[in-house]
Amino acid sequence: SAVISQKPSRDICQRGTSLTIQCQVDSQVTMMFWYRQQPGQSLTLIATANQGSEATYESGFVIDKFPISRPNLTFSTLTVSNMSPEDSSIYLCSVEGGGTYEQYFGPGTRLTVT
Amino acid sequence: QKEVEQNSGPLSVPEGAIASLNCTYSDRGSQSFFWYRQYSGKSPELIMFIYSNGDKEDGRFTAQLNKASQYVSLLIRDSQPSDSATYLCAVIHNNNDMRFGAGTRLTVKP
Repeated sequence: SAVISQKPSRDICQRGTSLTIQCQVDSQVTMMFWYRQQPGQSLTLIATANQGSEATYESGFVIDKFPISRPNLTFSTLTVSNMSPEDSSIYLCSVEGGGTYEQYFGPGTRLTVT
Repeated sequence: QKEVEQNSGPLSVPEGAIASLNCTYSDRGSQSFFWYRQYSGKSPELIMFIYSNGDKEDGRFTAQLNKASQYVSLLIRDSQPSDSATYLCAVIHNNNDMRFGAGTRLTVKP
């Protein structure tokens, strides 16, 4: 499986500011995904990021709040904009395995908004 | 109705016993099913995937799928304290989107 890294691993931010989370993969992948996992909860898909096209957002998530970039097949960023304490969560990127739909996850970014 | 449902637990079993984790899903057209293990403070780790009805075994883990009943399960034989974690059931939904259950917290007691 691919080796996935995320930066930063954690951050504490003030409300009203923005944070950009980076996801780097050691091999080229077509599909990358961004998830949110709130404390004690399961994973919720934010958006799917494909290289060369606009990200596809799930219901309840909008581009103005969570802009995503996918400049190449090994890298993506998720920005959490105008943060509020409700955005405190773990943000995870994942990539799809080769042709069998399984996903592999990065280590996550733990965000706390004060 | 939630798309993927799991008993949140906690499920507690003694060391050496069989742990049985269950999951139901609502989309009858789903074709791909996954079990992830998540240790506290860590990201989910893929344990198994299954596509066909029946059983699939990998070491101490067996995944079972019954599409007619829209039911998938994970059996862990000879449970070890290191198996203590939250187990997430995931199902491929429309357009390749993966939907996760809420997870079952398993504790294996020495």
